[in-house]
Formats: sequence, C-alpha cells, structure tokens
Amino acid sequence: DTGVSQDPRHKITKRGQNVTFRCDPISEHNRLYWYRQTLGQGPEFLTYFQNEAQLEKSRLLSDRFSAERPKGSFSTLEIQRTEQGDSAMYLCASSHASPDTQYFGPGTRLTVL
Amino acid sequence: DAKTTQPPSMDCAEGRAANLPCNHSTISGNEYVYWYRQIHSQGPQYIIHGLKNNETNEMASLIITEDRKSSTLILPHATLRDTAVYYCIVGTQGGSEKLVFGKGMKLTVNP
Repeated sequence: DTGVSQDPRHKITKRGQNVTFRCDPISEHNRLYWYRQTLGQGPEFLTYFQNEAQLEKSRLLSDRFSAERPKGSFSTLEIQRTEQGDSAMYLCASSHASPDTQYFGPGTRLTVL
Repeated sequence: DAKTTQPPSMDCAEGRAANLPCNHSTISGNEYVYWYRQIHSQGPQYIIHGLKNNETNEMASLIITEDRKSSTLILPHATLRDTAVYYCIVGTQGGSEKLVFGKGMKLTVNP
C-alpha cells in the first residue's frame, strides 16, 4: 500500500475564495473519512463515506462545505466562501469495512487570510 | 466529547520504556481502545488497539486493566523519534465509527 495521499499539502487563500482539496485513499479501502484539526486540538470528525455514499456528516460541516466521492475512490472536500475560521489542517483517513482501523494522510494545511 | 482522559504531557529518557496512561472509566463492553500518535505537522499514525486482552506489535504494547477502565501504552525503548502527541481513543469496531480525539498527551523523549 502506498498510503493515503492528500493534495495540496498547503493552501493559502483569501477570505471569500473557494478551495478544493483531494484525498486518495489506500487502494481497496471502501471507507473514507475527513477530519479537521485546529492548533492545539485533536482532529474533529467532519464526514464519512462508504464507497460513494456519504453516510454521516458532522454539525461542523456547514453549508459552505461539501464533500464528494463520485466513484468510490478519491474524494474531494470543497469549502466555498472561505472564512478565517476555516484555517486548519484538513485530514483524510481511509479504512476497510472490517477491520476498520483508520489510516491517515499527511493533511492539507489551509490558511485563510 | 472524548471518552478518555490523559495527562497533558510526559517526559521520558531515550532508551528507557515510556508508559503512557489512559483512563476510560465509561468504556462499553463492545468498545475497543485505540492509540494513535501525531508527530508535528503530520497526520495521526495508528499504533495499536485492543478490546480486553493485552496486545503487542512492532511499535508498542497495550496493557488493558481487567475492569477495562484504564490502559497503558508501552514504548519499550523510546527514541527521539517517538516524541509526539499520543491519543487514546475508545470506539466500536465494525460500525461507521468516527474517531473522537481528545487533546492527547505530549510525550517528549529526551537525550
């Protein structure tokens, strides 16, 4: 396995712009998770896919956030009209259905100016 | 909210065993104990998990008390590269289980 990959690793944007992040899970992992981590805190769950179906969304995922996994492989997380409070590390993880140990990617660090 | 409590920080000498404690007094019968660590600016790394028996792998050992209300992660010979934030998490296996992270514990391995 090559591990979970995320792109880009860093993104700097101006308030009000839209950004999109990509996650490529470990091959054959049918579950994919997105988390957000702010400075000094542990990661917080955002949303989860099993194959292409988005099965759970956190209340943290406001209307400005949307995630897709169209073919059950890679996933994208889009943030529209970014705000300074969106500045964080966005982490992706993947797992089998069973066992469902989650393996994380390196994250995308977003800075909103 | 996280269902575990950990001390905020701990120091350990290089080459010595590091024993990282975790309390999970409200753990349910079907919940596992998971340990992850996060080295600065990287994604969390899975270490080990267990239900009630002690577990060992190439990275660490996990000792779970008989009442399952606490556990200890043991790094047998800590190195400087083990300096990280360690997260103890409880969760079920086989569901859609999102991981609920607390603030974790910062382990500093000193030369």
